[in-house]
Amino acid sequence: SQKIEQNSEALNIQEGKTATLTCNYTNYSPAYLQWYRQDPGRGPVFLLLIRENEKEKRKERLKVTFDTTLKQSLFHITASQPADSATYLCAHTGKSTFGDGTTLTVKP
Amino acid sequence: GAGVSQSPSNKVTEKGKDVELRCDPISGHTALYWYRQSLGQGLEFLIYFQGNSAPDKSGLPSDRFSAERTGGSVSTLTIQRTQQEDSAVYLCASTPGGAGGEKLFFGSGTQLSVL
Repeated sequence: SQKIEQNSEALNIQEGKTATLTCNYTNYSPAYLQWYRQDPGRGPVFLLLIRENEKEKRKERLKVTFDTTLKQSLFHITASQPADSATYLCAHTGKSTFGDGTTLTVKP
Repeated sequence: GAGVSQSPSNKVTEKGKDVELRCDPISGHTALYWYRQSLGQGLEFLIYFQGNSAPDKSGLPSDRFSAERTGGSVSTLTIQRTQQEDSAVYLCASTPGGAGGEKLFFGSGTQLSVL
């Protein structure tokens, strides 16, 4: 079955460092992937979309890559801040498929 | 409204009772989704409405679950004869047209607890 997997349940980093989150997909080739942020008690909020023909997409301190050979998307937050602490979800909304998320904690 | 609105925000019920969860999508959005999120888990797709088309019910876990969308706007998710394993956050999302790649706008969810 078509799956999206986010390998790390949790990631702890120091403020100022770059956080890198991984999303792998299996058994299909999505034309795009989306990344969402979810805070406790709230619904997910859209951050970025990257299409299969785009190697990289940036928005402020966020960067997303899409590698169709590795079947993987990487999500980077540079110069991380405690306010970036949240759960980040990778998704292919066309198939309504979400990963389980990675909970990022940025320590001051 | 300004965003997707869900009610109630919290619902506590007894096993065997029926519950109704409500979703008010963003005005003008033709596509509406229901998801379920168990503690510490990702989102599980339940059902998808797009305009006047027949809904995609492929994610509904059992015949105790049903949903309707009246007038192409408000949607109600009904769970009959609730079980403890139904305890989860139920999230609703809408998009303007339902085309592939559109970002989803989520409500804050309904936390359902079945005792």
